[in-house]
Amino acid sequence: QVQLVQSGPEVKEPGDSVRISCKASGYTFSSYYLHWVRQAPGQGLEWVGVINPSDGSVSYAQKFQGRVTLTRSPSTSTVHMDLSSLRSDDTAVYYCARDLTAVTSFWLDPWGQGALVTVSS
Amino acid sequence: ENVLTQSPDTLSLSPGERATLSCRASETVYTSLAWYQQKPGQSPRLLIFDASRRASGIPARFSGSGSGTDFTLTISSLEPEDFAVYFCQHRSNWLGTFGQGTRLEIK
Repeated sequence: QVQLVQSGPEVKEPGDSVRISCKASGYTFSSYYLHWVRQAPGQGLEWVGVINPSDGSVSYAQKFQGRVTLTRSPSTSTVHMDLSSLRSDDTAVYYCARDLTAVTSFWLDPWGQGALVTVSS
Repeated sequence: ENVLTQSPDTLSLSPGERATLSCRASETVYTSLAWYQQKPGQSPRLLIFDASRRASGIPARFSGSGSGTDFTLTISSLEPEDFAVYFCQHRSNWLGTFGQGTRLEIK
């Protein structure tokens, strides 16, 4: 079955960078876009960006432009999200989620289990 | 930027009742809208996409309707497991946007 397994929780200080990974299995990795969405504690969902695993092309929400980088490793069916210049308000659960269809739709299904990033001095 | 506004923020109902959740877009999204359910401590789950198509495995009591700027998620008869937070989502110009969510709680 399709599965997305994310890396574990991270604790960082303000100004640090963090890398979160998302390993895909159960389908052809290059055929489906992968998205990143975050959720601050007790808050709603916020779309971060998307990567095409086939060629590495990306699109980012304007809010994160210049601080976020999405990359992929086809040999391990893994995508990575790097977020730099961390602030306390970056504390959130970060989810990866696969596009529902091979012709990208931006409908997200399934989702990874989430990775909590805590930014605190 | 197209803003999605959900209403109400919280909806209190009893099992067996009908739930109607609303999502309004600031600009037309045609039928490019999805709904997600999120239970405490869990990842979101896709319920409805393209405004009215049920995702795989979603019970028939969930239905979506609307087009343009006004959309509705209806749960025909609430089951205990339906009490959760619901989000709508739009996609446009290679960007995704979520509504702020509606919390459906047991009355």
